[in-house]
Amino acid sequence: DQQVKQNSPSLSVQEGRISILNCDYTNSMFDYFLWYKKYPAEGPTFLISISSIKDKNEDGRFTVFLNKSAKHLSLHIVPSQPGDSAVYFCAASSAGKTGGFKTIFGAGTRLFVKA
Amino acid sequence: DTGVSQDPRHKITKRGQNVTFRCDPISEHNRLYWYRQTLGQGPEFLTYFQNEAQLEKSRLLSDRFSAERPKGSFSTLEIQRTEQGDSAMYLCASSLGAGAADTQYFGPGTRLTVL
Repeated sequence: DQQVKQNSPSLSVQEGRISILNCDYTNSMFDYFLWYKKYPAEGPTFLISISSIKDKNEDGRFTVFLNKSAKHLSLHIVPSQPGDSAVYFCAASSAGKTGGFKTIFGAGTRLFVKA
Repeated sequence: DTGVSQDPRHKITKRGQNVTFRCDPISEHNRLYWYRQTLGQGPEFLTYFQNEAQLEKSRLLSDRFSAERPKGSFSTLEIQRTEQGDSAMYLCASSLGAGAADTQYFGPGTRLTVL
């Protein structure tokens, strides 16, 4: 049961253009949504997050949009830079049954930014 | 380097052997998470500690898996009677603890290969 889905395994974008990475989820109980970036041989690193009560959060070149009615979020990177080439994971977080928190990750989208 | 560290980085074992991995979180972080990641997938949640208390466990964490965080600092993940299907990257993450929104800081992972 994939609660968080990233349907595009890869995306190729020209340097300077906008990169749009998409994510769909099925569980309306998620409290927060997060994006992580992963380079080879490293663990994922946090990029940006959004509360389920917001519809947009912006941090420099990165903006996350949340459409709750569609259960869809997207990450916009503008302008894209070659250093942005990495695997991007969408994640969703909610309170667990015993007081803890649980984060569900999507399968990731590999972004290639061409110089 | 004061980030999350994991040891060993690589482990090759024969089927049926027991293995133990260690995670040292960022010192002031009270939350610690274990994930498993296989090729082409995102990290899959295994378990979560708040200080020394194990508050959430995934159904992925079979009876052969056990995790501890005895003093609320480092954690160990043990896999008994390893199977080839256990081959994966095991990731540890820690966080300060700020509800569902808190940023998780990941270690580089331990890559397990079961022959």
